[in-house]
Amino acid sequence: AQTVTQSQPEMSVQEAETVTLSCTYDTSESDYYLFWYKQPPSRQMILVIRQEAYKQQNATENRFSVNFQKAAKSFSLKISDSQLGDAAMYFCAYRSDIIQGAQKLVFGQGTRLTINP
Amino acid sequence: DVKVTQSSRYLVKRTGEKVFLECVQDMDHENMFWYRQDPGLGLRLIYFSYDVKMKEKGDIPEGYSVSREKKERFSLILESASTNQTSMYLCASSLRDRGYYNEQFFGPGTRLTVL
Repeated sequence: AQTVTQSQPEMSVQEAETVTLSCTYDTSESDYYLFWYKQPPSRQMILVIRQEAYKQQNATENRFSVNFQKAAKSFSLKISDSQLGDAAMYFCAYRSDIIQGAQKLVFGQGTRLTINP
Repeated sequence: DVKVTQSSRYLVKRTGEKVFLECVQDMDHENMFWYRQDPGLGLRLIYFSYDVKMKEKGDIPEGYSVSREKKERFSLILESASTNQTSMYLCASSLRDRGYYNEQFFGPGTRLTVL
């Protein structure tokens, strides 16, 4: 079974600075997808960024980028120019590339990010 | 916009009560999921469904059951609520598609307290 580990329960950063959230995973599969989800306080969880395992190029979405290291099974999220609205719980998630079934997500424990003004 | 709604944001029940949590999505998604979220544990999958009347156990199904009679609605049932089921419950839905752009969309969550 796949597992996802986020070793940083809490992180904080000064507004406008850069912060990196860590995620490692364990799998024997070669094809899969990785995601970062954001859960703002009292608001719905939303997708921040996604990565396909067979793509070596790191995904980027505006101020959010990932560092995907397949051999090391590492998938970190970098937030540049941090803004107050980035304060949230961030979850790393894994999905197998399977044909049938419901394509379940396996989540990490989460990292609570605080932005200091 | 995809919309996933849950019947209650906050719910307080007593030990032994039967509890129903309802989830509705409006985007014709095949897949629906129920998770519970606890501090330090992240989201854990309780049950999921990839079609009407189909259900499969997730990682922590004990003490829960589900029902999916219509494509848009997925209900989580606590047959006899216990205090260790106090948690945040999140519903999600997605297309039945293995592709890159398939993502799960989440509801706002129901914070259940069992006294």
